[in-house]
Amino acid sequence: KQEVTQIPAALSVPEGENLVLNCSFTDSAIYNLQWFRQDPGKGLTSLLLIQSSQREQTSGRLNASLDKSSGRSTLYIAASQPGDSATYLCAVRTDKLIFGTGTRLQVFP
Amino acid sequence: GAVVSQHPSRVICKSGTSVKIECRSLDFQATTMFWYRQFPKQSLMLMATSNEGSKATYEQGVEKDKFLINHASLTLSTLTVTSAHPEDSSFYICSAAGTANSPLHFGNGTRLTVT
Repeated sequence: KQEVTQIPAALSVPEGENLVLNCSFTDSAIYNLQWFRQDPGKGLTSLLLIQSSQREQTSGRLNASLDKSSGRSTLYIAASQPGDSATYLCAVRTDKLIFGTGTRLQVFP
Repeated sequence: GAVVSQHPSRVICKSGTSVKIECRSLDFQATTMFWYRQFPKQSLMLMATSNEGSKATYEQGVEKDKFLINHASLTLSTLTVTSAHPEDSSFYICSAAGTANSPLHFGNGTRLTVT
């Protein structure tokens, strides 16, 4: 059974810091991995999708890497801003899409 | 970009009644749809996987007779919560994908409150 874990569970930082969010999964036979953000009480916003054959994807201040063999992905957020405050979720796709436990991020001014 | 419409966004119902939630892919054909529920401050828990034209596959611990899923077309899947009870109150989210390698697109969720 696929299990997806995210570390840290919560993070509070001053704005401007560079951040690393971690995601690990137990079964490396995945199609892809996707990172999302979720604002309180809202739905999901897709951030980055990494196919199993790819090593990383970048979008603006976000960079996500994937090491499928070791079952790890990281989301790097450069120069964090208060607007980045949200819960970040990774999800791995096989015949299902399984979500990680999430990282609650707070960036304060 | 691809859009998934989920309706209703909020619903309040009385205990014992049934509630239907719709999930539509507006500009692509969704061969697979996933249904999730989310409790406060928790992650999304997969309830079932729905493939067009076939029966849904439910996760362990999810009652198939209570959470009826229908995926009759490539653009519509429905989740019916039957004989709802207060403990069914939750945030329900659907997602849809065209192929195994394509990104999943999510509805905005339905907040169900059972009184």
